[in-house]
Amino acid sequence: KQEVTQIPAALSVPEGENLVLNCSFTDSAIYNLQWFRQDPGKGLTSLLLIQSSQREQTSGRLNASLDKSSGRSTLYIAASQPGDSATYLCAVDSGNTGKLIFGQGTTLQVKP
Amino acid sequence: DAGVIQSPRHEVTEMGQEVTLRCKPISGHNSLFWYRQTMMRGLELLIYFNNNVPIDDSGMPEDRFSAKMPNASFSTLKIQPSEPRDSAVYFCASSLRGAGTGELFFGEGSRLTVL
Repeated sequence: KQEVTQIPAALSVPEGENLVLNCSFTDSAIYNLQWFRQDPGKGLTSLLLIQSSQREQTSGRLNASLDKSSGRSTLYIAASQPGDSATYLCAVDSGNTGKLIFGQGTTLQVKP
Repeated sequence: DAGVIQSPRHEVTEMGQEVTLRCKPISGHNSLFWYRQTMMRGLELLIYFNNNVPIDDSGMPEDRFSAKMPNASFSTLKIQPSEPRDSAVYFCASSLRGAGTGELFFGEGSRLTVL
């Protein structure tokens, strides 16, 4: 059974810092991995999707990497801003079904 | 596109009442998912449909929960009778399987409170 873990559960950094959020999964046979952002009281916004054949994806200040063999993904945020404060979730599709298994998320606070 | 649209955004009801949550997926998407989010359990998949057909409902907590997708542009999640432990945020999401990347797009959620 696929399990997804995100560490740390919460992170507080000063504005401008580069940071890395971690995601690990137990079954390396994945179809894709997706990173989401969730603001309080809101739905989830897709940030990046990495197919199993890819090593990384980039969008603006965000870079997500995938290492299937070690069961890990990282989300790198460059030059963090207060507007980046949110909960970040990673999710894994193991069977090309769209059925995503989510981690518990990392709540990020970027202080001005 | 307007994105995934859910209604109602908030619902407060009393134990034993029937609750119906509604979802309109993104036009052209062929897969629809219902998730539930709580502080204790995080995001859990309840059921998903592919081309309007239920594929996996193993996440549906019990028989009090039912979901339908009568056409490609509408789905409902019904709880009857509702219980306080059903209080959660219920999310609908859609994606394009096959021709697309499978990227999942979420609605804003329906926050349910059962008193």
